[in-house]
Amino acid sequence: QKEVEQDPGPLSVPEGAIVSLNCTYSNSAFQYFMWYRQYSRKGPELLMYTYSSGNKEDGRFTAQVDKSSKYISLFIRDSQPSDSATYLCAFDYKLSFGAGTTVTVRA
Amino acid sequence: EAQVTQNPRYLITVTGKKLTVTCSQNMNHEYMSWYRQDPGLGLRQIYYSMNVEVTDKGDVPEGYKVSRKEKRNFPLILESPSPNQTSLYFCASSRGPRYEQYFGPGTRLTVT
Repeated sequence: QKEVEQDPGPLSVPEGAIVSLNCTYSNSAFQYFMWYRQYSRKGPELLMYTYSSGNKEDGRFTAQVDKSSKYISLFIRDSQPSDSATYLCAFDYKLSFGAGTTVTVRA
Repeated sequence: EAQVTQNPRYLITVTGKKLTVTCSQNMNHEYMSWYRQDPGLGLRQIYYSMNVEVTDKGDVPEGYKVSRKEKRNFPLILESPSPNQTSLYFCASSRGPRYEQYFGPGTRLTVT
């Protein structure tokens, strides 16, 4: 079993839709949970960072962590074409990354 | 401007010809790391360094070497590149593994 599992997609949605991205993990030692966004031909950039179970909101983005289920999610509300990118979940300790989900928002 | 730089950005080489990819950061970060990114496999850590002269293997260290003689620089060395090392490579730096990682622009390496 991989330490981090992320559905690679791709995911294509119309502008304005809600995008839902998920990762599961197996290492209960993980304490910090991150989402990175990577535009084409660029390095990843930190989007969201949480360290506890529950929700964290930042504008149109919400990160959700369920430590008991070892499951994290990222929601993008009112998605825009500029949100088209690959989204990677990441976890501390060993700094493990998911494989990334490629999202396309159609205008 | 705070940044991580990598050189070269693109490199095509032949099997067995030693090469070095340089990485430099200007943020005084202690933690630096190298990743390779392959389709369907995501980012996999090759090596990391907690500080000067302190390096350790990541998940896929075979065929790679690193050194950390200065805080700002963390070069990646391929002593005898092989085609399975064809990949997109990223250098990153941060205050530590639990902090935001700042990534360089990437180096696309092709080994023929």
